[in-house]
Amino acid sequence: QSVLTQPPSASETPGQRVTISCSGSNANIGANPVNWYQQIPGTAPKLLIYTNNQRPSGVPDRFSGSKSGTSASLAISGLQSEDEADYYCTSWDDSLNGWVFGGGTKLTVL
Amino acid sequence: EVQLLESGGGLVQPGGSLSLSCAASGFIFSNYGMAWVRQAPGKGLEWVSTLTGSGRGTFYADSVKGRFTISRDNSKNTLYLQVNSLRAEDTAVYFCAKYRGSGSHTSWYFDIWGRGTLVTVSS
Repeated sequence: QSVLTQPPSASETPGQRVTISCSGSNANIGANPVNWYQQIPGTAPKLLIYTNNQRPSGVPDRFSGSKSGTSASLAISGLQSEDEADYYCTSWDDSLNGWVFGGGTKLTVL
Repeated sequence: EVQLLESGGGLVQPGGSLSLSCAASGFIFSNYGMAWVRQAPGKGLEWVSTLTGSGRGTFYADSVKGRFTISRDNSKNTLYLQVNSLRAEDTAVYFCAKYRGSGSHTSWYFDIWGRGTLVTVSS
């Protein structure tokens, strides 16, 4: 069981908006920044959002991140078929003294 | 272009050992912390170990502490992971990842990933 909790799956139709949640505790999300990764099966993860809400260059502004208390969210607007992938949140955990990941959310674009 | 290329994976019996390598290029290797992250077949990502740019700071997941050793050779731009006393549950693709971020390591994030090398532990 992962330290950070994500819904195992999400789905939405093209053009719509979807939100993926990531729930943690005061030891991780509550105290440290959250980062998000996109992984197309069989490939390496790709940085999507860093430090809660920052987008690396090259990542479309359709992707946005937010954090409140011990939870964080990734929002994807204007869904496209190419957004179909697995999404992971991660943060440092002060109690475990290491980085922790969410279990991942498989996004299906219907 | 920033690149990370892992090697050294393979099939090993339970209790065996392997040495994984990650060759880095396109950036000043010694300036950045590096990590290993693994992914068991059909499962999610699991952080394994981290080494600071200087090599003086190390962190390990509890699941591998005492069995895995992370190291680096900044003169060769290479990160290593010595994996000993392997168990079936260590079967995974092992990714090498570069950190970015300023200040405390608690704010670091993985900005570049390699393609991974598969370690299979089976008799």
